[in-house]
Amino acid sequence: DAMVIQNPRYQVTQFGKPVTLSCSQTLNHNVMYWYQQKSSQAPKLLFHYYDKDFNNEADTPDNFQSRRPNTSFCFLDIRSPGLGDAAMYLCATSRDDRARPEAFFGQGTRLTVV
Amino acid sequence: AQKITQTQPGMFVQEKEAVTLDCTYDTSDPSYGLFWYKQPSSGEMIFLIYQGSYDQQNATEGRYSLNFQKARKSANLVISASQLGDSAMYFCAMREPLSGGYQKVTFGIGTKLQVIP
Repeated sequence: DAMVIQNPRYQVTQFGKPVTLSCSQTLNHNVMYWYQQKSSQAPKLLFHYYDKDFNNEADTPDNFQSRRPNTSFCFLDIRSPGLGDAAMYLCATSRDDRARPEAFFGQGTRLTVV
Repeated sequence: AQKITQTQPGMFVQEKEAVTLDCTYDTSDPSYGLFWYKQPSSGEMIFLIYQGSYDQQNATEGRYSLNFQKARKSANLVISASQLGDSAMYFCAMREPLSGGYQKVTFGIGTKLQVIP
């Protein structure tokens, strides 16, 4: 059973049209991450939540926002997508537990901007 | 400064042979963790193995083992008895603690492994 679910798997949006990607988890993990992965590159951390505390990476563009209304759900909002925002977006969760610190990833949302 | 370095963009291995994927890291914090993930063409990141900085023994998970050399700051992944299904991108990643009790996971650029029949 999928534990971290991202919707949709594929998203096509128009240049400049706001888009929201969603992530849900059944693991009850307190930490949730959003990564951006462009073709042939390493995943790049955009931001993460530690419980309700939001942590933004310094180089994450203002165009990217996030919401976490509860433990299970997290959203990535791209206010005005540009062609350079086309990428795979990966959501991940982890527990603040030294014994099991690994992050569990969803299957990703592949965003195309036209 | 780059935190995780993977110097092998692509690797080939014969089926049933063992292969080592290299990873070096850089951190000044004594408490950190190292991961390896597999990413098939479908895109999902699959956790393979974890090594904590204070762990005395090298981590093993089935056919995967992590050759942890702390003084050299290396954490190489060894895959024994390669299978065709092992063909994928492999990412080395590091967890670092941040102030306030948070943690951050940073990925290397990855190594593309192809298993040849």
